[in-house]
Amino acid sequence: NAGVTQTPKFQVLKTGQSMTLQCAQDMNHNSMYWYRQDPGMGLRLIYYSASEGTTDKGEVPNGYNVSRLNKREFSLRLESAAPSQTSVYFCASSLTGTRGYTFGSGTRLTVV
Amino acid sequence: EDKVVQSPLSLVVHEGDTVTLNCSYEVTNFRSLLWYKQEKKAPTFLFMLTSSGIEKKSGRLSSILDKKELFSILNITATQTGDSAIYLCAVVTSSGSARQLTFGSGTQLTVLP
Repeated sequence: NAGVTQTPKFQVLKTGQSMTLQCAQDMNHNSMYWYRQDPGMGLRLIYYSASEGTTDKGEVPNGYNVSRLNKREFSLRLESAAPSQTSVYFCASSLTGTRGYTFGSGTRLTVV
Repeated sequence: EDKVVQSPLSLVVHEGDTVTLNCSYEVTNFRSLLWYKQEKKAPTFLFMLTSSGIEKKSGRLSSILDKKELFSILNITATQTGDSAIYLCAVVTSSGSARQLTFGSGTQLTVLP
């Protein structure tokens, strides 16, 4: 019962470095999401993929790119990390997008 | 722009107290409202509400939605230290066939022994 698996759990980057956060789900969900969580800000949507082959911007997409590699996997890429991207990142998936959102355990990213 | 506002931002109570957490929203194409509890890691699902006036209950937690006044409340009775967490309210909206989840900033609840 893996659910949603995110890797890595922790990462420290230097300003300007790039990295990819990986997310995989084994629940045959259609929709997948990337959120960031900052203190006092709740979770804010970065990008989402309503179904395999589609991706759309959320509330805070600047500085990020995504790839829906297949139905299971949805990756988030930071091309040139900035200190403002220091945050906790959560991946989530949902069968229909209306109910049953399942979250991964999060990636704590620090950009110095 | 969709907006979800939770209040209070933080709350400190003693074990046994009853608390009421508030969530108001202004969104287009409302589909449902979700409550989550977040401790150290990922948010865990509590309730989904789609219809006004129908109370959802799970043990000491209950929630109700008012679609006319655009708010929801989460009640926790006889609080325990294990209830200490961030409680997140989120609204599901639709845009064509796509669904989005917009979160409030959360209420940090601390229950003291």
